[in-house]
Amino acid sequence: AQTVTQSQPEMSVQEAETVTLSCTYDTSESDYYLFWYKQPPSRQMILVIRQEAYKQQNATENRFSVNFQKAAKSFSLKISDSQLGDAAMYFCAYRSMYSGGGADGLTFGKGTHLIIQP
Amino acid sequence: DAGITQSPRHKVTETGTPVTLRCHQTENHRYMYWYRQDPGHGLRLIHYSYGVKDTDKGEVSDGYSVSRSKTEDFLLTLESATSSQTSVYFCAISELTGGLYEQYFGPGTRLTVT
Repeated sequence: AQTVTQSQPEMSVQEAETVTLSCTYDTSESDYYLFWYKQPPSRQMILVIRQEAYKQQNATENRFSVNFQKAAKSFSLKISDSQLGDAAMYFCAYRSMYSGGGADGLTFGKGTHLIIQP
Repeated sequence: DAGITQSPRHKVTETGTPVTLRCHQTENHRYMYWYRQDPGHGLRLIHYSYGVKDTDKGEVSDGYSVSRSKTEDFLLTLESATSSQTSVYFCAISELTGGLYEQYFGPGTRLTVT
C-alpha cells in the first residue's frame, strides 16, 4: 500500500513571498500520478496541480509549481507571490497508474495548514 | 464544479440510527467515490464505483455500504451509525482531463452521531 507524508502540519508566510510545502510518498510502483489539492475554509476540495511520474518536467500552473524528485519520492509545492486567498489546508495525494482506467481512489497526506500573514 | 451535489449537507443523528448520504452528478461520469475526512487523517477512501451496480471497498469500508442503481447517484449508507462515524463525507468523480483521470469533489456532508 502507498503512503503519503506531509511533515509540516502548519506553515506561515508573508503576503507576496514564496513558500514551499513538502510531501513525500512511499510506493513500489514505477508509474503513478501525484496531485496537490487546496481546501479553503469553505471546505471545498480544489485541484491545484498534477504531475505524471513518467514526466521529468515539473508541472506549473500560474503561481503554483512543483518540484518532483522521483528517486527521492518527493513532491513539493511552491507557491510564488503568496496571496491572502492562498490561505487554506493543502493536501498531497497519490494515485496508482495501474488501476483499470480511472477507478482507483486517491491516497492523501494529512495536510498542511498554510497561513498568509498580511 | 463538475456538477456534483451532496445531500444532506449537514446531519445530526443518534447512535444506532441508519443514515444514507446521497451523491448526485449530472455529467454522466463513470467513476464515483466516497471519502471521509477527519482531523489528523486527511481524506480516506470508503468505497468507490466503476459503473452502475459495480462497487468496491476502499481503505475504511467497515460499517459502510454503498449502492449505485443509476449512473448519476451514488449512495452511502451507515446501517447503524456510531460516534466514530462522526466525520465530513466527500463524494468525488473522476474525469478524464488531458490524458489522465482527475478527481473532483462535491461540497461535503458534515455528519454528527450523538
